Amino acid sequence: QVQIVESGGGIVQPGGSLRLSCVASGFSFSDSGMHWVRQAPGKGLEWVALIYYDGKNKYYGDSVKGRFTISRDNSKNTVYLEMSRLIAEDTSTYYCAREGAGGTGMDVWGQGTMVTVSS
Amino acid sequence: QAGLTQPPSVSKGLRQTATLTCTGNSNNVGDQGAAWLQQVQGHPPKLLWYRNNNRPSGISERFSASRSGYTASLTITGLQPEDEADYYCSAWDSSLSAWVFGGGTKLTVL
Repeated sequence: QVQIVESGGGIVQPGGSLRLSCVASGFSFSDSGMHWVRQAPGKGLEWVALIYYDGKNKYYGDSVKGRFTISRDNSKNTVYLEMSRLIAEDTSTYYCAREGAGGTGMDVWGQGTMVTVSS
Repeated sequence: QAGLTQPPSVSKGLRQTATLTCTGNSNNVGDQGAAWLQQVQGHPPKLLWYRNNNRPSGISERFSASRSGYTASLTITGLQPEDEADYYCSAWDSSLSAWVFGGGTKLTVL
């Protein structure tokens, strides 16, 4: 059964840091690119980051560039999102999603983990 | 990052056909097309259509998509109450080296 499970969300103060994890199962993780996508309460989807199957290529959205880092451990079927210098605007549900073969779309999604940045 | 443009809302009657649009430019939609996702309230998004013009396994044939120039379209035939959801388009932007989303269209089935 193809599955993605995110964890690590919570409440953090402005300026703080948090690390999200995403564990995948049921598919060949080491052959798959992985995304993080977020959604602020009541708002639309915002792409955050993409990491290629081998971890060698990483891409970021403008609003998180320089503050967030995506990484992966293929031995653990896990992708991470290290978030630092958090601001209120980072408050969102963070989803992890698999990249479809050939960059065709995000075809498997987790249930998401909520991050709240507040003092 | 500039996103893709979608109408905020569309309303159609039961069993009618809805066509949702998504406008980009030569670097995203006009380059390799758009993927389409459906998000029912309270649930994560679900992929309805791949950028390479294929429907994922398990997605109803009532959903189809096309592209003309810089505009991608998602067509839903025989609208059902369960089709009421937010629909998003997404595409890789080769000039930004980033994925971009549309703002989403809320589909209401009357």
